[in-house]
Amino acid sequence: QSALTQPPSASGSPGQSVTISCTGTNSDVGGYNYVSWYQQHPGKAPKLMIYEVNKRPSGVPDRFSGSKSVNTASLTVSGLQAEDEADYYCSSYAGANILLFGGGTKLTVL
Amino acid sequence: QLQLQESGPGLVKPSETLSLTCTVSGDSISSRSYYWGWIRQSPGKGLEWIGSFYFTGDTYFNPSLKSRVTISLDTSKNQFSLQVTSVTAADTAIYYCARDRRLGSNSQFDVWGQGTLVTVSS
Repeated sequence: QSALTQPPSASGSPGQSVTISCTGTNSDVGGYNYVSWYQQHPGKAPKLMIYEVNKRPSGVPDRFSGSKSVNTASLTVSGLQAEDEADYYCSSYAGANILLFGGGTKLTVL
Repeated sequence: QLQLQESGPGLVKPSETLSLTCTVSGDSISSRSYYWGWIRQSPGKGLEWIGSFYFTGDTYFNPSLKSRVTISLDTSKNQFSLQVTSVTAADTAIYYCARDRRLGSNSQFDVWGQGTLVTVSS
């Protein structure tokens, strides 16, 4: 299995919306509704932001939303804030009890 | 409040075995509700799932590492451990332990340790 494909970078101004993509295959992203998104600030551990494509853990602002179309999952951050500047990683179940991560996307708030 | 803390040597020689321990406080690793897992991150790179386990012994590994990885638990100390054998420079990474809200065979890590850097070098 190969890592999921994410753009290396994304950016937006405060208040704007930005969408980060995560592309896989019909054996992972497209085959299951088991996509998660993690936020990682520099020097910190990742934080679960979205699970099962579009569900938010308690405490995650509703500015963060997830979706999926065929083999591509997306994370949208609305009302961008300075604190949203971080690396974002997607993950997906890939069958046979295997978990794949994406390569990560660095989100810059301009 | 659930906390996880990784510990172990920060430097390992090539071909030797990397050993790390994760100490859990605020929950039991024998909890019927959760799995527990290890994830690593090479310097400046992305995340890589290593493996996840349930206290009954149910364990799943990344196929790319399976032949070299062992996960064990010590319920009396509420700790679980990771061993990676025959390490090379490619195993240099920050190693995280985390709680796995495994649902329908899918791992979701909702609480993480702070991570520990392990460097493989002679």
